[in-house]
Amino acid sequence: AQKITQTQPGMFVQEKEAVTLDCTYDTSDPSYGLFWYKQPSSGEMIFLIYQGSYDQQNATEGRYSLNFQKARKSANLVISASQLGDSAMYFCAMRPGGATNKLIFGTGTLLAVQP
Amino acid sequence: KAGVTQTPRYLIKTRGQQVTLSCSPISGHRSVSWYQQTPGQGLQFLFEYFSETQRNKGNFPGRFSGRQFSNSRSEMNVSTLELGDSALYLCASSLAGGSTDTQYFGPGTRLTVL
Repeated sequence: AQKITQTQPGMFVQEKEAVTLDCTYDTSDPSYGLFWYKQPSSGEMIFLIYQGSYDQQNATEGRYSLNFQKARKSANLVISASQLGDSAMYFCAMRPGGATNKLIFGTGTLLAVQP
Repeated sequence: KAGVTQTPRYLIKTRGQQVTLSCSPISGHRSVSWYQQTPGQGLQFLFEYFSETQRNKGNFPGRFSGRQFSNSRSEMNVSTLELGDSALYLCASSLAGGSTDTQYFGPGTRLTVL
């Protein structure tokens, strides 16, 4: 079964420090995409970063990087130099292979950045 | 470029009523997907439309339906509302739903069923 697992319900990090949010996935599709979204308390889902299953290098977008370990089926999000505005819910999601735009989401990790 | 817009942002209905939610995708985007978010079930895929055709459907009862218009705008309808339909309904758009497409989400419609 296709599934995303986020084992950290909540995390604390000090401002300006780096933090890693864990994500593991399960799929038998050879081609798939992995995404991270941020959801502030306002509710809107904000796209952060994308990693394709065939990408050789880890994706990076500004302070966000994705630590992609295909053999372990993990796609951890690393946020460097945390800011107070990073406090939010973070969701890992997978788009399975095939002609679909369906995203399968994990249960999320609530990140709190402390001053 | 304007983002994904959803209307209304908040809605209160009573059991048995029906509701229609609207989503306008980013200009040029042809794929629209809908998701339901609840505290108990998390984020669940409802359906996806591309070029006015439903391309994929999640595991929801037939009370949940949708459509897409020629300008890519999409509506979803929930008939005979139940208390459990209270949720945040999120709409997402992407260019064409290709393998590297990114879905961009709207602010959501928060539906409360009394």
